[in-house]
Amino acid sequence: DSGVTQTPKHLITATGQRVTLRCSPRSGDLSVYWYQQSLDQGLQFLIQYYNGEERAKGNILERFSAQQFPDLHSELNLSSLELGDSALYFCASSPSTGGIQPQHFGDGTRLSIL
Amino acid sequence: AQSVTQPDIHITVSEGASLELRCNYSYGATPYLFWYVQSPGQGLQLLLKYFSGDTLVQGIKGFEAEFKRSQSSFNLRKPSVHWSDAAEYFCAVASGNTPLVFGKGTRLSVIA
Repeated sequence: DSGVTQTPKHLITATGQRVTLRCSPRSGDLSVYWYQQSLDQGLQFLIQYYNGEERAKGNILERFSAQQFPDLHSELNLSSLELGDSALYFCASSPSTGGIQPQHFGDGTRLSIL
Repeated sequence: AQSVTQPDIHITVSEGASLELRCNYSYGATPYLFWYVQSPGQGLQLLLKYFSGDTLVQGIKGFEAEFKRSQSSFNLRKPSVHWSDAAEYFCAVASGNTPLVFGKGTRLSVIA
């Protein structure tokens, strides 16, 4: 158990819809990272938050947004969903920021777009 | 830009045999290197990491990895593979304040 909690585990929805994925980091961790894992793209970094502020941005679509709340949990919002958004979405956390920080991953949310 | 190459998409080994998974990275400065393992339906678990110092690092589950700067490699090894080691293995690199960059992964199958 990594200590990172993601909900829901599975999500099935239709094209054009909007969903929210939730992540609770390990106790004491201030950084939260979001990743997308698909068969064709592999593991892609989307965005990082540190103590409530956006810290780094990767290959995140404009239809996607995220935020980190005062209690340090984070939400990833995906809107105007397309078939190609079907993927595993992982959240990871680390105590601070910087590449030297090992990240601990949740079990992911599997998103299926019908 | 940083990049990570895992040349082997899929490897099959016999239980009890030794294992080496290859990882090559591209980055100008000294990187921070990681190996993660992903079992089916689960998230990624950190196996080991290299930041500096001794180039041979020990990790969990009997894994080790060796950093070779001259070859830009960070190969993962295990002397004797167990059936429970069957999983997907990811090499990753970061530096400074840059986010983790992952390789495409190597799927390990273990046969009796």
